[in-house]
Amino acid sequence: DAKTTQPPSMDCAEGRAANLPCNHSTISGNEYVYWYRQIHSQGPQYIIHGLKNNETNEMASLIITEDRKSSTLILPHATLRDTAVYYCIALLAGGTSYGKLTFGQGTILTVHP
Amino acid sequence: DTEVTQTPKHLVMGMTNKKSLKCEQHMGHRAMYWYKQKAKKPPELMFVYSYEKLSINESVPSRFSPECPNSSLLNLHLHALQPEDSALYLCASSQEGGWTTNEKLFFGSGTQLSVL
Repeated sequence: DAKTTQPPSMDCAEGRAANLPCNHSTISGNEYVYWYRQIHSQGPQYIIHGLKNNETNEMASLIITEDRKSSTLILPHATLRDTAVYYCIALLAGGTSYGKLTFGQGTILTVHP
Repeated sequence: DTEVTQTPKHLVMGMTNKKSLKCEQHMGHRAMYWYKQKAKKPPELMFVYSYEKLSINESVPSRFSPECPNSSLLNLHLHALQPEDSALYLCASSQEGGWTTNEKLFFGSGTQLSVL
């Protein structure tokens, strides 16, 4: 699986959009970009994933650049409950990858009142 | 029910004790996972069960022994642990036994283990 690089920490004001970047310059054509987050004292929580196209769900939007070398997770209206560590993971889909999520150091997002 | 339930939430054990961690899901998922997370570090995969068979063992020491009695249950048996094994142990499940394009992991809240 491709290595991902994220900033160690970011701040965001409550009610504003939080844009979390992720670099995955060595990603292969059939590797998906997954985002999970981990709120303190809880297990990681799935947010969103995508291959080439931009994706949106009830939690967030995922913007993947055309060359797929980087992506941005967007939380449109951040709340205090979005304070967490956010992990960007590149994962080969299908076959025997068995969901071997390899978590990097992630980005600590702190949402301020 | 979209929950993965782990018990106990906290466990303190001595180095000569034998204990077990339990994980349960009722989502009909066919793959289950154990992850280990040291303080201020990301989770690391330990084991993967697919259709109740051990598919992946990430070179975990034998003092950790996983067991999958049925598709809803996953245990982690602990024996002769060391203080450095103190960590948060996370269980997860996913729908398919293999990994499809829309697969996602559902995690429990973990068992915080302290080895004295």
